[in-house]
Amino acid sequence: AQSVTQLDSHVSVSEGTPVLLRCNYSSSYSPSLFWYVQHPNKGLQLLLKYTSAATLVKGINGFEAEFKKSETSFHLTKPSAHMSDAAEYFCVVSGGSGGYNKLIFGAGTRLAVHP
Amino acid sequence: DAGVTQSPTHLIKTRGQQVTLRCSPKSGHDTVSWYQQALGQGPQFIFQYYEEEERQRGNFPDRFSGHQFPNYSSELNVNALLLGDSALYLCASTSPRGEGYEQYFGPGTRLTVT
Repeated sequence: AQSVTQLDSHVSVSEGTPVLLRCNYSSSYSPSLFWYVQHPNKGLQLLLKYTSAATLVKGINGFEAEFKKSETSFHLTKPSAHMSDAAEYFCVVSGGSGGYNKLIFGAGTRLAVHP
Repeated sequence: DAGVTQSPTHLIKTRGQQVTLRCSPKSGHDTVSWYQQALGQGPQFIFQYYEEEERQRGNFPDRFSGHQFPNYSSELNVNALLLGDSALYLCASTSPRGEGYEQYFGPGTRLTVT
C-alpha cells in the first residue's frame, strides 16, 4: 500500500528565508509523487510532480523537490519565501501505476510566512 | 478553456437528508474522481468514474454513490446524511493522454450538515 507522511504540521518562516517542507513516502513500487498547494477558500493547485524522470523536479513559483529513493523522501524547498506562499501544502502519492489511480494525500503542512 | 467546475459552492443540509453534488471535468478529460476533505485534514479518496462506471472506491460506506454521464460530467450522492459528512467535497479530472498523471481539481463544494 502507498502512503505519505508529512513530518511537520506547521512551519513558520520569515519572508526572504528558505522554505523546507518534509515528506516521506511508502510505496511498493516506483511511485508518482506530487506536491499540491491550497490557499484559504481555494481549490488545490499542483506545484510539481515526479514521475520517474529527473529526480530534481522544478515546479511553479520557484518551488523544487528532490526524489530520494534511498531515504524514501520527497521534500519541498524554495530558496526565498514570499508572503504569498502562506498556505496549506500537501504531499501526495499516486495509489498505483498509471494515470488513473487515486491520489493519497498527507495530512498537510501549514506554512506561515512572517514579514 | 474552463477548468473543473463544481456546483453548488456551498450547501447546508439537515441530518438524515440526501444531497447531490455536481462536477464538470476539464475539457478533454474523461475520468472523474471525488475526494472528501474534512476540516484540518488532507483529502480522502471516495471513488473514481471512467466510461460511466465506478472504477475504484475508497473506504466510504454505500451511502456515498455516484454517477458519470456520457459527457463525462459526474454527480456525487450522499444519503442519510450524518454530522460527520460535513466537509469540502472536491472533484478532480484527469486526461488519458500523457499528462504525467496530473489530476486537476475543482474549487469544491462546502457541505454543512446540521
